[in-house]
Amino acid sequence: QVQLVESGGGVVQPGRSLRLSCAASGFTFSSYGMHWVRQAPGKGLEWVAVISYDGSNKYYADSVKGRFTISRDNSKNTLYLQMNSLRAEDTAVYYCAKPSEDIVVVPAASDYWGQGTLVTVSS
Amino acid sequence: SYVLTQPPSVSVAPGKTARITCGGNNIGSKSVHWYQQKPGQAPVLVIYYDSDRPSGIPERFSGSNSGNTATLTISRVEAGDEADYYCQVWDSSSDPHVVFGGGTKLTVL
Repeated sequence: QVQLVESGGGVVQPGRSLRLSCAASGFTFSSYGMHWVRQAPGKGLEWVAVISYDGSNKYYADSVKGRFTISRDNSKNTLYLQMNSLRAEDTAVYYCAKPSEDIVVVPAASDYWGQGTLVTVSS
Repeated sequence: SYVLTQPPSVSVAPGKTARITCGGNNIGSKSVHWYQQKPGQAPVLVIYYDSDRPSGIPERFSGSNSGNTATLTISRVEAGDEADYYCQVWDSSSDPHVVFGGGTKLTVL
């Protein structure tokens, strides 16, 4: 069965960095693009970034462009999100999500989500 | 950037039909996906490509999309359907990116 397990969240000061990981299993990770989606406390879902199955294409939300970097290691079945210059408004639960179709990402839905990892940016 | 508009809340009595709308400019030309999220849980896909249901999702859940409005319809609503619902599309006007609606809280009276 598909499993996505996020880790790396915690409390970090504004301006500092944090790297999130998402360990994937139960499917051919190297054949699927992957997303990061976040949800601030009490707020709605906000898409963060997507990476293609081979890592060659990456797209970001305007709110994180230039500060966050999505990457993947297909040999380790792991997705990453490097977050730099963190701000209070980056406080959220961060989910990784798998598209419902392999290879292509647009315009697929996300059929599996991890349980999320909480990032709190506070001094 | 593309904007999706959902009503903040919808209330319905058990056994009745709930309709949750998602408005966007010419949304009928896009593929719409719907997610259900219960408190403290990750989102669950309930409708994809406007009207397809993933395995395990009850037939009570259906979707439609035309013009400037997509609609998630939940028939014979049950207490367990109480949740937040989000619509989602891809916007490819510039770099491809995902857009979520603001979410609708469904309350079962």
